[in-house]
Amino acid sequence: SQKIEQNSEALNIQEGKTATLTCNYTNYSPAYLQWYRQDPGRGPVFLLLIRENEKEKRKERLKVTFDTTLKQSLFHITASQPADSATYLCALQTGTASKLTFGTGTRLQVTL
Amino acid sequence: DAGITQSPRHKVTETGTPVTLRCHQTENHRYMYWYRQDPGHGLRLIHYSYGVKDTDKGEVSDGYSVSRSKTEDFLLTLESATSSQTSVYFCAISPSTEPNYGYTFGSGTRLTVV
Repeated sequence: SQKIEQNSEALNIQEGKTATLTCNYTNYSPAYLQWYRQDPGRGPVFLLLIRENEKEKRKERLKVTFDTTLKQSLFHITASQPADSATYLCALQTGTASKLTFGTGTRLQVTL
Repeated sequence: DAGITQSPRHKVTETGTPVTLRCHQTENHRYMYWYRQDPGHGLRLIHYSYGVKDTDKGEVSDGYSVSRSKTEDFLLTLESATSSQTSVYFCAISPSTEPNYGYTFGSGTRLTVV
């Protein structure tokens, strides 16, 4: 069966360090992978998109990698800040006409 | 979030009663989606719409129906609410199926069925 896995355990990290979150998938051939941020009591907010033929994408302090051989995406936040504390969701899309399928998310806690 | 509102924000209802959740957008986006979010399951697609009066089922559509009579409104109806439908419901919009845009989500409706 198709599965998207994100670490269900919270990731605790010290301010200023790089946070790395993982998204693994099985039985998918995603053409696109997106990352979202979700704060408590709010809806997810779109952060970044990476295509299957792209290895890496950057936006300010964010970096996403996409390895279709390993079936994995890594999401990095450099110089992390307490304001980065949130749950981060990955989402896959197998084609332009398909809908997004979401992982369960990983909660990131950045402490001083 | 700007451009998309969900109502009500919170609702408690009794088992067996009908419930309608509303999603309203001011972005004139063609595509609208209803998701539910539960611990351990993440966001799961219930129904979606690709235009006025054009809707289709998602992966967890049983017990739900939708309607879209205007571009700006997408209604989700639980015909006879059950405790298993206790969840947080999110509406999302996108202008295109092109993934560049991502989805814009509403703030959610927390529904409790007692």
